[in-house]
Amino acid sequence: GDSVTQMEGPVTLSEEAFLTINCTYTATGYPSLFWYVQYPGEGLQLLLKATKADDKGSNKGFEATYRKETTSFHLEKGSVQVSDSAVYFCALTTQGGSEKLVFGKGTKLTVNP
Amino acid sequence: DVKVTQSSRYLVKRTGEKVFLECVQDMDHENMFWYRQDPGLGLRLIYFSYDVKMKEKGDIPEGYSVSREKKERFSLILESASTNQTSMYLCASSLRSDYGYTFGSGTRLTVV
Repeated sequence: GDSVTQMEGPVTLSEEAFLTINCTYTATGYPSLFWYVQYPGEGLQLLLKATKADDKGSNKGFEATYRKETTSFHLEKGSVQVSDSAVYFCALTTQGGSEKLVFGKGTKLTVNP
Repeated sequence: DVKVTQSSRYLVKRTGEKVFLECVQDMDHENMFWYRQDPGLGLRLIYFSYDVKMKEKGDIPEGYSVSREKKERFSLILESASTNQTSMYLCASSLRSDYGYTFGSGTRLTVV
């Protein structure tokens, strides 16, 4: 079945460091891909998305490119801030008419001043 | 601003109680979902609904039921709460899956 694999956390960085969180997927067809962010004590918020191959989603300085050849959707940010500390989830749409998303297990990011 | 509202942020219930978790969305979305979130296990789908009075089991429906009498409201019911149902519960809604979901802020339920 469709699945998402995210890099294991936690990830700890210093402020202004470069961030990459890896996400690879297994899916039939052409799923849409998402990154969600969950700040402490909150629900998930949509961070960015891409709906077809080579699309780049971007928001708040974060970027991810839909790479069909490597089945990946890695999240990147050039210079992280303390306020970026959160849990990040990669997700994809499933096929066959289902409205369900499949989520990765999440990667916790801590950014230190 | 579009919203998914969960009625309680924190809830403490006793073992054996019947528990109702309420979720309301104001976006006229067809699809609504209930997840639970546990450390190391990520998000697990409990139940979802494509339309009023329609429901489908997710990956972990045991011990839970749902109700969707109106389009905007999707309730999760713990028939007889147990300590292993202590968790963060997240409600979400969507118009279409490729638009993404909108999540509520979550209800942290503790069963003692």
